[in-house]
Amino acid sequence: GAVVSQHPSRVICKSGTSVKIECRSLDFQATTMFWYRQFPKQSLMLMATSNEGSKATYEQGVEKDKFLINHASLTLSTLTVTSAHPEDSSFYICSATFGGSTEAFFGQGTRLTVV
Amino acid sequence: EDQVTQSPEALRLQEGESSSLNCSYTVSGLRGLFWYRQDPGKGPEFLFTLYSAGEEKEKERLKATLTKKESFLHITAPKPEDSATYLCAVQLISAGGSYIPTFGRGTSLIVHP
Repeated sequence: GAVVSQHPSRVICKSGTSVKIECRSLDFQATTMFWYRQFPKQSLMLMATSNEGSKATYEQGVEKDKFLINHASLTLSTLTVTSAHPEDSSFYICSATFGGSTEAFFGQGTRLTVV
Repeated sequence: EDQVTQSPEALRLQEGESSSLNCSYTVSGLRGLFWYRQDPGKGPEFLFTLYSAGEEKEKERLKATLTKKESFLHITAPKPEDSATYLCAVQLISAGGSYIPTFGRGTSLIVHP
């Protein structure tokens, strides 16, 4: 299947700092990428949908100025958590689809801990 | 309101004890139902896609089926390595025409040796 690489897999940052998470599609051009957040023993909560070259569409309740999403190319999307707080600590996962496919392939996830 | 409900929330089986996981959905425009496996601390791993009622797909000890209201993931003679959380997702079409994957809460499966 298609490969999506997410980096870093783990990151610890101090309160007030920003952290960037990268999501790359390695063997296909991702027309759409999704960013999710997952709390322990909870399902994946969609944060935003991004299409290459256009602004991301954020789900209700997700602060677009806090969670900056950039989808500059067909193989790369980034999520920047700005001015991180301990409550932003979570597992963040990206996924990508290509062309007219409805199948989404996921990255390995990023465990963010804000101290 | 569109939603995806998975049951049971948790399931413990003995090795070799077959069972089924359920995913029921209420959507107005289904464009595919997906099953994923997620191991702790990892991203979901794609298992199956089902598009129409009556469709079935198999992979090793897993078999997924779909009706108009629900999907089942049958696990035959499970092994401890099948222990994971199994997630069901449906593709909904947003007002803007994009496919939006919507997940259930998952079923945490533990298979004891």
